[in-house]
Amino acid sequence: SQQGEEDPQALSIQEGENATMNCSYKTSINNLQWYRQNSGRGLVHLILIRSNEREKHSGRLRVTLDTSKKSSSLLITASRAADTASYFCATDAGGAQKLVFGQGTRLTINP
Amino acid sequence: SQTIHQWPATLVQPVGSPLSLECTVEGTSNPNLYWYRQAAGRGLQLLFYSVGIGQISSEVPQNLSASRPQDRQFILSSKKLLLSDSGFYLCAWSVNSWKPQHFGDGTRLSIL
Repeated sequence: SQQGEEDPQALSIQEGENATMNCSYKTSINNLQWYRQNSGRGLVHLILIRSNEREKHSGRLRVTLDTSKKSSSLLITASRAADTASYFCATDAGGAQKLVFGQGTRLTINP
Repeated sequence: SQTIHQWPATLVQPVGSPLSLECTVEGTSNPNLYWYRQAAGRGLQLLFYSVGIGQISSEVPQNLSASRPQDRQFILSSKKLLLSDSGFYLCAWSVNSWKPQHFGDGTRLSIL
């Protein structure tokens, strides 16, 4: 089964609103990463949060991590049409030489 | 700066034909390399990863194989393609398993 599970599977909001996506995982981690994928393209790394961090910011992105609940959230503030994409969380599954990706959240920003 | 090249961008192959997808990385040495497959609207399934030349770890038993003949070259192959091999194949590299992965633009493989 997947280490990371995103929620919701799909999200549609109006431009200017904030978008929140959640990720839950099952085993201990060293870090959790968020990626973005535009349709038909490769994934692009957005942000990495270590297991000893609780919150991290990058521009309009805010990521939180709650290791006691094994969950993370990605907040995109003041959304733009160009933010339309799929967003994936990925974890290193406690030291394995690989990342395990969730199924993703498809975000649609309506102009 | 580092770049990753993956080709071809699209490929249409008949069932039973062989496959060779190539991925090369520039601007870094001894990267971790990864092959993923993505079904439409789904997440990424890790197929193979490599931490060095000739070192291949297989994640899912299947009709595919991978090789790393050079430090920055990763090849995905099949001797006989199945219909179920259709999908979007992505190559990625990272400095190590804890660092961000950098993806190529993918190959859309259709099996007829």
